[in-house]
Amino acid sequence: GENVEQHPSTLSVQEGDSAVIKCTYSDSASNYFPWYKQELGKRPQLIIDIRSNVGEKKDQRIAVTLNKTAKHFSLHITETQPEDSAVYFCAANNDYKLSFGAGTTVTVRA
Amino acid sequence: DAGVTQSPTHLIKTRGQQVTLRCSPKSGHDTVSWYQQALGQGPQFIFQYYEEEERQRGNFPDRFSGHQFPNYSSELNVNALLLGDSALYLCASRVQGSTEAFFGQGTRLTVV
Repeated sequence: GENVEQHPSTLSVQEGDSAVIKCTYSDSASNYFPWYKQELGKRPQLIIDIRSNVGEKKDQRIAVTLNKTAKHFSLHITETQPEDSAVYFCAANNDYKLSFGAGTTVTVRA
Repeated sequence: DAGVTQSPTHLIKTRGQQVTLRCSPKSGHDTVSWYQQALGQGPQFIFQYYEEEERQRGNFPDRFSGHQFPNYSSELNVNALLLGDSALYLCASRVQGSTEAFFGQGTRLTVV
């Protein structure tokens, strides 16, 4: 089955700086890569996604890149704000089944 | 649109008991998946239902079973509860053929 690894497990950044989270996947058949943000006690919320036929996608301060050859994808958050503090999960979709990374706890210091 | 709704929000059960969790999908969605999220970990896929049948299953024992009703809502049943079953159980819905999944707020199950 698919195995998704996510790094780092924790990330502390100064407000206004950038944050980068990296994930690797194992199954070359995976074709869709969403990122979810989960605040304490709340549901995972889809913040951005990328499909296997696209190399990069951007939505305001958030961007995702995908390298199919290397089987890795990354989340970039620019100009971080306190409300960006949360746990972020990457996932890989294979046959409509999501496999998640272990999560990255992002803390934005004011 | 209420989105994906789950009930109950919290539940405490004793080891060996059985539990049923419920999920109503987002309006227009026909496929429901269940995930188990242990504390400090990412969600783990349990199974997926479409057209009232289990279509895919993750690495979970037969103690975990489910059902989907004609209105697309779904139930997750867990028998012979173990302490290790304590987790947040998440339901996600989507339209069949679409990859974008929306999650409910989850049911926090504590087994004592």
